Amino acid sequence: NAGVTQTPKFRILKIGQSMTLQCTQDMNHNYMYWYRQDPGMGLKLIYYSVGAGITDKGEVPNGYNVSRSTTEDFPLRLELAAPSQTSVYFCASSHPGLPPENIQYFGAGTRLSVL
Amino acid sequence: KNEVEQSPQNLTAQEGEFITINCSYSVGISALHWLQQHPGGGIVSLFMLSSGKKKHGRLIATINIQEKHSSLHITASHPRDSAVYICAVIGGGSNYKLTFGKGTLLTVNP
Repeated sequence: NAGVTQTPKFRILKIGQSMTLQCTQDMNHNYMYWYRQDPGMGLKLIYYSVGAGITDKGEVPNGYNVSRSTTEDFPLRLELAAPSQTSVYFCASSHPGLPPENIQYFGAGTRLSVL
Repeated sequence: KNEVEQSPQNLTAQEGEFITINCSYSVGISALHWLQQHPGGGIVSLFMLSSGKKKHGRLIATINIQEKHSSLHITASHPRDSAVYICAVIGGGSNYKLTFGKGTLLTVNP
């Protein structure tokens, strides 16, 4: 199993450009998450999904959109990139249920710079 | 104020030393994660625990639910243990939403 795969690993965007961060998992997890990690701060939840066709906002959703058309894929869309979106983005997935079944598995991250 | 506080923020040790990283939280939780992140790398889950103690190799995690406190111990530390260690809790009525601490940067010198 590959686990959680994120692409690309690195990207530089100009202000106002758009892009999609890809995330796919092969563990048949219902739950998927997008986080951002800024220097000196804990990870913040951007969006999450509890199953195909169901998404919901996390703590910091502004400037982002998501979709979940399949169990495996959970792409994150930046429509009009801004310097404030410079960050490292992590995708994660988990089973539903009680601990320890719901342990989250993380991708390797996407390092994004908006200049 | 962050709901999850870690201490210390930075820790430097010599190879072989016993390491302790602390995590305190202010909300009721169903479980606590300890995660490891190597520089420039991804995030790996080390432990999830709801009570008591768990051990994996040289790593030991404990939790005291009444005191809302957890510790991560590393015995016989090694330079390859150098990483950021992150505490995260599942709580607030959710079975899956994590609230993260800011992390502890551990550097183990040979």
